[in-house]
Amino acid sequence: QSALTQPASVSGSPGQSVTISCTGTSSDVGGYHYVSWYQHHPGKAPKLVIYDVSYRPSGSSSRFSGSKSGNTASLTISGLQAEDEADYYCCSYTSTISFVFGTGTKVTVL
Amino acid sequence: QLQLQESGPGLVKPSETLSLSCTVSGGSVSSTSYYWGWIRQAPGMHLEWIGSIYHSGSTYYNPSLKSRVSIAVDTSKNQFSLKVSSVTAADTSIYYCARENGHRMDVWGQGTTVTVSS
Repeated sequence: QSALTQPASVSGSPGQSVTISCTGTSSDVGGYHYVSWYQHHPGKAPKLVIYDVSYRPSGSSSRFSGSKSGNTASLTISGLQAEDEADYYCCSYTSTISFVFGTGTKVTVL
Repeated sequence: QLQLQESGPGLVKPSETLSLSCTVSGGSVSSTSYYWGWIRQAPGMHLEWIGSIYHSGSTYYNPSLKSRVSIAVDTSKNQFSLKVSSVTAADTSIYYCARENGHRMDVWGQGTTVTVSS
């Protein structure tokens, strides 16, 4: 299975909003409402920030929001803060009863 | 508070079998609500889902790894394990265990680095 496609990097100034796209196919992103997003600081465990496309788990900042249209899901970080600088991965359930992650996006706070 | 901890050899020789365990504390692998999974990240690469297991032993695997991967659960030790056979340098990765809650991985271990080298 091929990894979902994400931009390699996005950047923004503190207080701005950034949006990360995650493009798959009708066999994964487009076929299910099961897209999750993970924040990953190198050397640490990944942290779930969005699940089932747009739900925030407890402990996840309200500045994170998610959406989906067709085969593309998106994660928006609003009010960008220095602590948001990390790698972000999307993940989707697939028709082969498995999961596939995205290629990852490095978020830089300018 | 649920915690997961990976353990196992940090160095494995090519063609041998990689074996890792994940110890669950603050919760039970016998829970009927969750699957327990393995994810890895090779150097400079993205996360890759390996597979997961239910307390009953039911398993699901990444189709691209299925022929070489085996996941088992030991409810008496509150652990689950991963075996990857016939390893090559491409299996060098940080290996994470995680709890699958619905269709998300909501609790992760800190990860353990495994290097494949002679």
